[in-house]
Amino acid sequence: DTEVTQTPKHLVMGMTNKKSLKCEQHMGHRAMYWYKQKAKKPPELMFVYSYEKLSINESVPSRFSPECPNSSLLNLHLHALQPEDSALYLCASSRNSEQYFGPGTRLTVT
Amino acid sequence: GEDVEQSLFLSVREGDSSVINCTYTDSSSTYLYWYKQEPGAGLQLLTYIFSNMDMKQDQRLTVLLNKKDKHLSLRIADTQTGDSAIYFCAGYNFNKFYFGSGTKLNVKP
Repeated sequence: DTEVTQTPKHLVMGMTNKKSLKCEQHMGHRAMYWYKQKAKKPPELMFVYSYEKLSINESVPSRFSPECPNSSLLNLHLHALQPEDSALYLCASSRNSEQYFGPGTRLTVT
Repeated sequence: GEDVEQSLFLSVREGDSSVINCTYTDSSSTYLYWYKQEPGAGLQLLTYIFSNMDMKQDQRLTVLLNKKDKHLSLRIADTQTGDSAIYFCAGYNFNKFYFGSGTKLNVKP
């Protein structure tokens, strides 16, 4: 099983809303990632969690707030987003050298 | 960090072989990867190669690594219309994955 699940699949939110993206894996992977992907571009790394601790923050604005409640779950809390934050948000997990992606959440900020 | 470059487009006929190329700058990547992304989907790990290997074959996929030239390629034999997608090469270093810009493969029937 190499499945990473993400909910919701699609999300439309206004600039004053607060919402959360969720990611789950049951592969025992201890590293989990959030990426942002714009159309026709490669994924851009946002955050890396290693053993449930934030290890990398790629200078992401504070309106994005990650959380890792346990080794299987990763959340991304969203608040006061801008229209340019509209993108596909991808979660991934890895063990050793293999990284597996979820299907993504398509986010639209209006 | 690692810079990874790919050509943007490749068009082939169904049944032909496809070769997607990638160059990278940092030779300290332990592994090099190929991912496939279909429209509206996440990235699917296709295959990867350890940096001390020259070649890896997995069914229709063949990965070639030229460490001297820092060049990685993915050959897809007997390309099918279902292979139409964007293909990303990636390196791994210091807990980060570095992605190329992606090559859009178009397979014509």
